Amino acid sequence: DAGVTQSPTHLIKTRGQQVTLRCSPISGHKSVSWYQQVLGQGPQFIFQYYEKEERGRGNFPDRFSARQFPNYSSELNVNALLLGDSALYLCASSFGQNEQFFGPGTRLTVL
Amino acid sequence: AQSVSQHNHHVILSEAASLELGCNYSYGGTVNLFWYVQYPGQHLQLLLKYFSGDPLVKGIKGFEAEFIKSKFSFNLRKPSVQWSDTAEYFCAVTNAGKSTFGDGTTLTVKP
Repeated sequence: DAGVTQSPTHLIKTRGQQVTLRCSPISGHKSVSWYQQVLGQGPQFIFQYYEKEERGRGNFPDRFSARQFPNYSSELNVNALLLGDSALYLCASSFGQNEQFFGPGTRLTVL
Repeated sequence: AQSVSQHNHHVILSEAASLELGCNYSYGGTVNLFWYVQYPGQHLQLLLKYFSGDPLVKGIKGFEAEFIKSKFSFNLRKPSVQWSDTAEYFCAVTNAGKSTFGDGTTLTVKP
């Protein structure tokens, strides 16, 4: 079975631009969560979606938004990029509300 | 706000040494507890989890963890480490759909 997939693998943007990251969960998983991981830190929770509804939101500004589609795939959108948004963005899917399976991440660099 | 503290940032051991990595969390209610591992060049994967029941849980590759509710702790142990255990280890707590990770412990096992 395919694991969680994310695209693109790497992305370079400039300050002020907008970016959309994509995630496909494991087949049968209805929950998707997004995390931001900067070097030397653990993943920081951004959003959780379950059955296409937002179920949890971390301490991130409104520039960050997400949605989940009927096929349970998800997009994370970040507007007005700042240098500090440079990070690895992780997607995780789960069947229920707890045990998560992580994708390889999208490395975002903001110049 | 929920927080997770991993006391050791970097641990260096020789093969066959015993391992214990500390993890403390702040939330006093019902939580689900996890240890994840990230091997070099790979993405996060689940080592073990605790939801309820026996506070001593066993995971993959000979790892185990003990949940001590009174101490808000969920320490990871392995009696005898191998070179292949070299990786970064993250403790995580999930409550109401939100996951909080510690900043990770890098384990280096010398052959």
